[in-house]
Amino acid sequence: GDSVTQMEGPVTLSEEAFLTINCTYTATGYPSLFWYVQYPGEGLQLLLKATKADDKGSNKGFEATYRKETTSFHLEKGSVQVSDSAVYFCALSPSYGGSQGNLIFGKGTKLSVKP
Amino acid sequence: GAGVSQSPRYKVTKRGQDVALRCDPISGHVSLYWYRQALGQGPEFLTYFNYEAQQDKSGLPNDRFSAERPEGSISTLTIQRTEQRDSAMYRCASSLEGIGRNNEQFFGPGTRLTVL
Repeated sequence: GDSVTQMEGPVTLSEEAFLTINCTYTATGYPSLFWYVQYPGEGLQLLLKATKADDKGSNKGFEATYRKETTSFHLEKGSVQVSDSAVYFCALSPSYGGSQGNLIFGKGTKLSVKP
Repeated sequence: GAGVSQSPRYKVTKRGQDVALRCDPISGHVSLYWYRQALGQGPEFLTYFNYEAQQDKSGLPNDRFSAERPEGSISTLTIQRTEQRDSAMYRCASSLEGIGRNNEQFFGPGTRLTVL
């Protein structure tokens, strides 16, 4: 079945460092891909998304490009801030059949940014 | 406007008791989803509704779990005869539509269920 694999955490960076969180997926067809973020004490929020190959999703300085050839959707940010400390989840929405509605999540990657 | 709300935020119950978890979606959202999240894991799909119709319940782990959305708005997830392995965060989400461009899911704060 469809699945998402993302890099294990935790990831600890200094402020202004470059961030990459790897995400790869296994899916039939052309899923939509998402990054969700969970700040401490809060619920899940959509950070960015891409719905077709080569699309780039971006928000708050974060970017991710839908790479069908490598089945990847890696999250990047050029200069992280302390306020980016959170848990990041990669997810996909299948593109076929009755399960088009649900999201399939990776395990999450905890990011801690030190001042 | 108001986001997705869930109640209670925390629930502690004894093994064997039934629990009902409530989700109030964003007004006007057609689709409603339930997920379960164990500690250190990502959310895992349980079931979802379009309006009052349950479209997919393939993620419900067994027949002790059921969900309803009788009027196409508020939904209740019921767990009968709870077991310790049911302890988790239960998350609800809603979206304007189930598929297509308006399928962004907005999540509630979750209900933390602890079964003693």
